[in-house]
Amino acid sequence: AQKITQTQPGMFVQEKEAVTLDCTYDTSDQSYGLFWYKQPSSGEMIFLIYQGSYDEQNATEGRYSLNFQKARKSANLVISASQLGDSAMYFCAMREGPVRGGKLTFGQGTILTVHP
Amino acid sequence: AAGVIQSPRHLIKEKRETATLKCYPIPRHDTVYWYQQGPGQDPQFLISFYEKMQSDKGSIPDRFSAQQFSDYHSELNMSSLELGDSALYFCASSSRGSGNTIYFGEGSWLTVV
Repeated sequence: AQKITQTQPGMFVQEKEAVTLDCTYDTSDQSYGLFWYKQPSSGEMIFLIYQGSYDEQNATEGRYSLNFQKARKSANLVISASQLGDSAMYFCAMREGPVRGGKLTFGQGTILTVHP
Repeated sequence: AAGVIQSPRHLIKEKRETATLKCYPIPRHDTVYWYQQGPGQDPQFLISFYEKMQSDKGSIPDRFSAQQFSDYHSELNMSSLELGDSALYFCASSSRGSGNTIYFGEGSWLTVV
């Protein structure tokens, strides 16, 4: 079974509008971490935001926020005021196991296209 | 701020050759990870090291080996290369001090011909 599911292969958004990228996860661990990464066409993997399973507040980093709903096992990424440079592949990932060395499992990714 | 440094950025090898990728983690990061991303795929975990000891192992072929050295840099050695090894290889690093976040390098593009 998929541990990380991103059901949106592609999303389109108008510049300056907000967009939500969906991510659901499956784990029996009590302690885990959820990550979002951006991968532009140039290939690098850029860290955006992190949410720990025990964090009570939703994480925010600038224009990025993570809508963490633990009971529903969802960790959606919200990008506010989209910019043309936001066009990229976005991956949701989860870390299980030990904090030190605990591997990331990635979802299939969502390609975001921002229209002018 | 210093990031994860990977070298080389690009390399082309022939089948059955050997390739070595190097990774220099962010200073004071104690954990290094290696991932492989095939074309159009999500990254797959290969192996990780914590304080120079292997911490976790994923779908790493027996032809591949990796280690972390005393200065915390890591190397991924790939032998008997196959066409299917063509991929983007990422190194990533983390530490408790970085809030458990995991930062990736820019990746090394390996093409096997």
